[in-house]
Amino acid sequence: AQSVTQLGSHVSVSEGALVLLRCNYSSSVPPYLFWYVQYPNQGLQLLLKYTTGATLVKGINGFEAEFKKSETSFHLTKPSAHMSDAAEYFCAVRNTGGFKTIFGAGTRLFVKA
Amino acid sequence: NAGVTQTPKFRVLKTGQSMTLLCAQDMNHEYMYWYRQDPGMGLRLIHYSVGEGTTAKGEVPDGYNVSRLKKQNFLLGLESAAPSQTSVYFCASSLRSDISDTQYFGPGTRLTVL
Repeated sequence: AQSVTQLGSHVSVSEGALVLLRCNYSSSVPPYLFWYVQYPNQGLQLLLKYTTGATLVKGINGFEAEFKKSETSFHLTKPSAHMSDAAEYFCAVRNTGGFKTIFGAGTRLFVKA
Repeated sequence: NAGVTQTPKFRVLKTGQSMTLLCAQDMNHEYMYWYRQDPGMGLRLIHYSVGEGTTAKGEVPDGYNVSRLKKQNFLLGLESAAPSQTSVYFCASSLRSDISDTQYFGPGTRLTVL
């Protein structure tokens, strides 16, 4: 069965600092991986996704993630945090040929001035 | 394009009451989904639909029913609300369900059952 684990329910960084949100997955077949962002009182919005090909994926708002098969990880990074990045971030996995998307529990990012 | 819209935004019910949540999309998407979001648990799939007139159970379907009479609408019903159904409900849609197809989410409905 597929599953997603996001390490740390809360992460706090200073403005301008590196953002690193961790995601590990389990899947018996090659997965498709996603990061979504949820701003307060809004729905989820796709940040980026990995399907095939290049393992470093660039998304919106300066975020990127790297698929590491050997580590079963898909961590999300941004070199310099901005106050507007404060939100909740969800990692998700879907098997190739599968239908259902499995979401992690989410990591809330706080950005300090 | 309005994208995915949900009605209502907030609702408070008493135990045993019924209600229907409406999801509408104007993107001509085939697939539609209902999720619930609870603290520390991410999103869990309740029901989904692969096209007009079809529905299927997701991960946590008990206590909910759905209908997809029109392609653009997906209704979620609670026949007899329970406090355990207090949650934020999100509707999503996608053009197809293959591989990496992106899901587009509505703004959510916050439901409290007393």
